[in-house]
Amino acid sequence: AQKVTQAQTEISVVEKEDVTLDCVYETRDTTYYLFWYKQPPSGELVFLIRRNSFDEQNEISGRYSWNFQKSTSSFNFTITASQVVDSAVYFCAYSGNTPLVFGKGTRLSVIA
Amino acid sequence: ETGVTQTPRHLVMGMTNKKSLKCEQHLGHNAMYWYKQSAKKPLELMFVYNFKEQTENNSVPSRFSPECPNSSHLFLHLHTLQPEDSALYLCASSQDDSSTDTQYFGPGTRLTVL
Repeated sequence: AQKVTQAQTEISVVEKEDVTLDCVYETRDTTYYLFWYKQPPSGELVFLIRRNSFDEQNEISGRYSWNFQKSTSSFNFTITASQVVDSAVYFCAYSGNTPLVFGKGTRLSVIA
Repeated sequence: ETGVTQTPRHLVMGMTNKKSLKCEQHLGHNAMYWYKQSAKKPLELMFVYNFKEQTENNSVPSRFSPECPNSSHLFLHLHTLQPEDSALYLCASSQDDSSTDTQYFGPGTRLTVL
């Protein structure tokens, strides 16, 4: 069965620091998608990115960047120059032949 | 404009009450989902609807009863719940129920069962 592991339960950084959130997945699927979602205190899960298994190109969107490495089954997320508004729980998720599977999330606290 | 809305945002109910959660999506999607998010547990998929038809029931107890009258609306009817059912209930929608479609979530209903 597919599995998503976010080993970091909680991370705390000072504003303007860079932070990387780790995500490792297990699968036997050849075609699959990986996602990152942000859940601020308001509760809503906000979609950040979707990547398919055939596209290993890293992606950058403003202060956010994602590093997808199939060889290590990882899809890590980096926030550059973190801000207080980045404080949230971040979820990595996987979908292949089964419905979306979420990791347990990493709670990021950015301190001013 | 919020693509997926949920009401109420907060709900407190007794174990003998009957209540309903409502979800509405304004994205023109065909699939809708209910998830349960309990403290310290991963999000759990409960139900999936595609074109108003239920396509997934993830072994959810019968005290949770979903209803999907059309592709834009999804309800979760609650009756005789238990305290362990207290959680954040999230609704989501996607273009279709393909596992690769991106799901967009609502703000959730925080349910407390006394």
